[in-house]
Amino acid sequence: DQQVKQNSPSLSVQEGRISILNCDYTNSMFDYFLWYKKYPAEGPTFLISISSIKDKNEDGRFTVFLNKSAKHLSLHIVPSQPGDSAVYFCAASGSGGAQKLVFGQGTRLTINP
Amino acid sequence: NAGVTQTPKFRILKIGQSMTLQCTQDMNHNYMYWYRQDPGMGLKLIYYSVGAGITDKGEVPNGYNVSRSTTEDFPLRLELAAPSQTSVYFCASSSGTGYDGYTFGSGTRLTVV
Repeated sequence: DQQVKQNSPSLSVQEGRISILNCDYTNSMFDYFLWYKKYPAEGPTFLISISSIKDKNEDGRFTVFLNKSAKHLSLHIVPSQPGDSAVYFCAASGSGGAQKLVFGQGTRLTINP
Repeated sequence: NAGVTQTPKFRILKIGQSMTLQCTQDMNHNYMYWYRQDPGMGLKLIYYSVGAGITDKGEVPNGYNVSRSTTEDFPLRLELAAPSQTSVYFCASSSGTGYDGYTFGSGTRLTVV
């Protein structure tokens, strides 16, 4: 029972263009949604988050969109840079308590020069 | 500013051996977590803790034990290692706000042969 799904294992984008990474979830009780970036042999690093009361959050080149009715979120990176090549995980948690994160399987993003 | 420190970085165990994965954080976070990452499977929660002396099971706790005697330390114990425990293990900590995300360690790559 996969509560958070990333259906694209990989994505290839040309440098300077927009990268769009997608994530779907099934649990309507999730209150927070987060994106993490992971380089090989390193731990995931927090990128950006959004709460369920918003539908958009921006931080520099990164924007996360949340569509609660479709239980779908996406991460937009514009413009894409070579250093953005990494594995991206979406994650979700409820509010209160231990705020345990449930992760998707990850999408490997490759930015081509 | 070390953040979350995990040791060792790599380890090979024989079937039936035991070991402890160490995790220390210096951010005074109450919440700490252990995840494992299998190829293509995302991160799965093993155990978590909401404060010193309090631990609870996550999604995949079988074969593992934890303790939390101080705010800083959250070791993970593997008893009677099995090949199914071959994975990359990540420790993380959080302030518990939900939208700030976790800070992860760099991981321990464990192989059981």
